Order: sequence, then structure tokens, then C-alpha cells
Amino acid sequence: QITLKESGPTLVKSTQTLTLTCTFSGFSLSTSGVGVGWIRQPPGKALEWLALIYWDDDKRYSPSLKSRLTITKDTSRNQVVLTMTNMDPVDTATYYCAHMGSYFDFWGQGTLVTVSS
Amino acid sequence: DIQMTQSPSSLSASVGDRVTITCQASQGVRNYLNWYQQKPGKAPKLLIYDASNLETGVPSRFSGSGSGTDFTFTISSLQPEDIATYYCQQYDILPFAFGPGTKVNIK
Repeated sequence: QITLKESGPTLVKSTQTLTLTCTFSGFSLSTSGVGVGWIRQPPGKALEWLALIYWDDDKRYSPSLKSRLTITKDTSRNQVVLTMTNMDPVDTATYYCAHMGSYFDFWGQGTLVTVSS
Repeated sequence: DIQMTQSPSSLSASVGDRVTITCQASQGVRNYLNWYQQKPGKAPKLLIYDASNLETGVPSRFSGSGSGTDFTFTISSLQPEDIATYYCQQYDILPFAFGPGTKVNIK
């Protein structure tokens, strides 16, 4: 079965760079049509799509955050890494990674990242 | 960018009631619209994909309809375990956008 799990720091300081890793199993990111995305959710607020990487290394970003985001994949290790630069307290959120065939059908449990000033 | 709106933002209903949530896209998204259920402290769970298709294992009391800009999500008979926030999401045009959510409570 498909599983995903996010890992990374739980606390970062303002202006620092956040690096999150999504480790997955049950599928390959070299399979045509497959993607892995990142979505975040500030406490008590709605979901926000951040970035997506496809099997062919096509990368897509939220326009509002594009200058701060980088998404990469390591197919051999079944991992996707998201980096976000210049973190701010407003970036405090639970960060999820999700498998995408045609839509986000399998999600990780999420990891809460708190940004301190 | 496409904006998604949902109404109502919250509702309270009795067990067994029919519950309807609407989702509107600021421009047409064909039928590329999903519905997710999120319980407190948990990741979202896909319930409906392509506007009206029930994800495997999801109870048949959940349903969806619509295309273009206007979509509807229905719980035919509300159950206590359906207490959650429900989100619509379009995936026709990047950037993918989620609606603001509808919180469903038991009266």
C-alpha cells in the first residue's frame, strides 16, 4: 500500500531555510504520470498547495511562494525534498506531502513546523 | 489564479439529516474537482474525485455533482463519525486551489 511520511525540524527561526523530506513507499516516482506534492495548513486555517514534482522531473510551484520554494526528488531513495527560504512566523503550519496520480489520493500524516521570531 | 469558495462555512445538523455543501470556482474547471474530509489532527482524506466519483472504500452516503464552476457535495444521512471539515479542490489548472472549508457539526 502507498504510504508517505514527512520529516524535518519542528522549530525554525525567522529568516532560516526550512528543509522537509517526504519518504514514501508503495509507488515509484519514476512511473509515468506519478507526482508528489506539498500542501500546508496553518493552525485553524485552510489547506494551501505549495509545490509538485512529477515523474519526469517537471516541477510546479505556487506563484505566491515560487521565489522561496525548491522541490527535488531522489527516485532511488523514494524521497522528495522541499526547501523554503526566508521563513517567517506566518509560515507556521502543518506541512503535508501527498501522492498524486491524477489527484492527491494518499497523504502523509503531516509535520508541524513552528517559526519563531 | 482560480479562487474556490464554499458555503456555508459551517453548519450544524442532526444525525440522519441530509447535508449539502456547495463549492464555486472563479472560472471553469470542467469536472476536475475533488472533495476531502479532514478530522481534527488528521490529514485530509479523499472522498470524491472528478466531481462525482466515490473513492474506493468511502461510504455511499457521500456524493458529489457538478461541472464547470458550480459543484455540490452531499451527505445523504449524517452520521456522528462525519463530524469534520470538508474541502473542495480544483486540479484542472495550476496552481491547484482548495476551498476555505466547511465545518460540519452535530446539532
